[in-house]
Formats: sequence, structure tokens, C-alpha cells
Amino acid sequence: KQEVTQIPAALSVPEGENLVLNCSFTDSAIYNLQWFRQDPGKGLTSLLLIQSSQREQTSGRLNASLDKSSGRSTLYIAASQPGDSATYLCAVSRGGTSYGKLTFGQGTILTVHP
Amino acid sequence: DGGITQSPKYLFRKEGQNVTLSCEQNLNHDAMYWYRQDPGQGLRLIYYSQIVNDFQKGDIAEGYSVSREKKESFPLTVTSAQKNPTAFYLCASSLGAGGVSGKQYFGPGTRLTVT
Repeated sequence: KQEVTQIPAALSVPEGENLVLNCSFTDSAIYNLQWFRQDPGKGLTSLLLIQSSQREQTSGRLNASLDKSSGRSTLYIAASQPGDSATYLCAVSRGGTSYGKLTFGQGTILTVHP
Repeated sequence: DGGITQSPKYLFRKEGQNVTLSCEQNLNHDAMYWYRQDPGQGLRLIYYSQIVNDFQKGDIAEGYSVSREKKESFPLTVTSAQKNPTAFYLCASSLGAGGVSGKQYFGPGTRLTVT
């Protein structure tokens, strides 16, 4: 059974700092890995998606890497801003007949203070 | 605007009553999903549907039922058999097995409180 773990559970940083969020998964037979952002009481917004054949994806100040063999992904946020404060969730997708079924980590609560 | 709508945003029910949560999408996606989120936890998959008139159980399907009669709609019924129904429910959709990326798009969620 796939298990996804995110470290740290919570992170508080001053504005402008670069930071790294970690995600690990136990079964390397994944189809893709997605990073999401969730604001309090809201739905999820997709940030980055990395296919199993890719090593990284970038969008603006965000960079996500994937090391499938070791079961790890990192989300790098450059020059953090107070508006980045949210919960960040990673999720892995299975392929084949289980296509689209996501297994989520518990999330990292990020607070960026001015 | 293309997207996913869920209604209502907040729902209150008495214990023992069935309740149906609505999920509609106009993204022309084949696949739709229902997740449950409890405080401080990630999302867990309840049911998913890869095509109209077909759906499969996710990891925590007990006490829930769904239907997929139309491509754009995937309602979730929380039955009285669900032991702990109070939670935040999220609906999502994706292109389905024919889509390359598998990216999922989420609705705004429905917060269900059962007393």
C-alpha cells in the first residue's frame, strides 16, 4: 500500500527566505507526482505536476524535483512571500487500472511572516 | 468560466439522515473523483469514475454511494451507515485515461457537519 509522508509538518519563515518542502513515498511505481496548494477552507490548486519519466518541473518561483528510485520529491520555493502562506500537499498517482487514483501526504503548513 | 462547482458550501444534517453533495464540471473531463479531508490530514479517495455510467470504490467507500449518469455530474450521497460523516468533501476531475498528464482540478469543497 502506497504511503506518502511530508516533512516538516509545519514551517514558519521570514519573508524573502528560500525554502524546501519534502515528500517521500514508499512505492516507486508511480505514474506522476503532483504538488498542490490549499488555502484555509478552500479547495486545492495544482502547482506542479511531474511525470514519472521527468526529473523536475518549474513554474515561476517554484521548482519541484522527483527522484523516483529513492521515493522522494522536493518543492523549492524561492524568495518566499507572505502570500505563499498555505498548506502544501503532495500526491502520487498510480497507473494502469488505477489511473488517476491519488494518494496524498498530510501536508506542510507554511507561514511566511513579513 | 470553466471549472468545478460544489454545492452547498456548508451543509448541516442530523445523525441518521442521508445527504447528497453536488459536483458539476464544465471542463469536458471524463474522470471525476470524491475525496474526504479531516482536520490536519491529507485527502482520502472515496469513489472515482473514469467514464459515464461507471465508477469504482476508493480507499474509504463504506457508508457512501455515487452515481455517474451524466459526464458533467458526479453526486455523492453520505448515508446513515457512515460512522463519522463530519468532514470537508472535495470533488475533482481530470481528462481521464486518455489524457497525457493526469492533472486533477478541484472544486471549492463542501463542509458537512452531522450532529
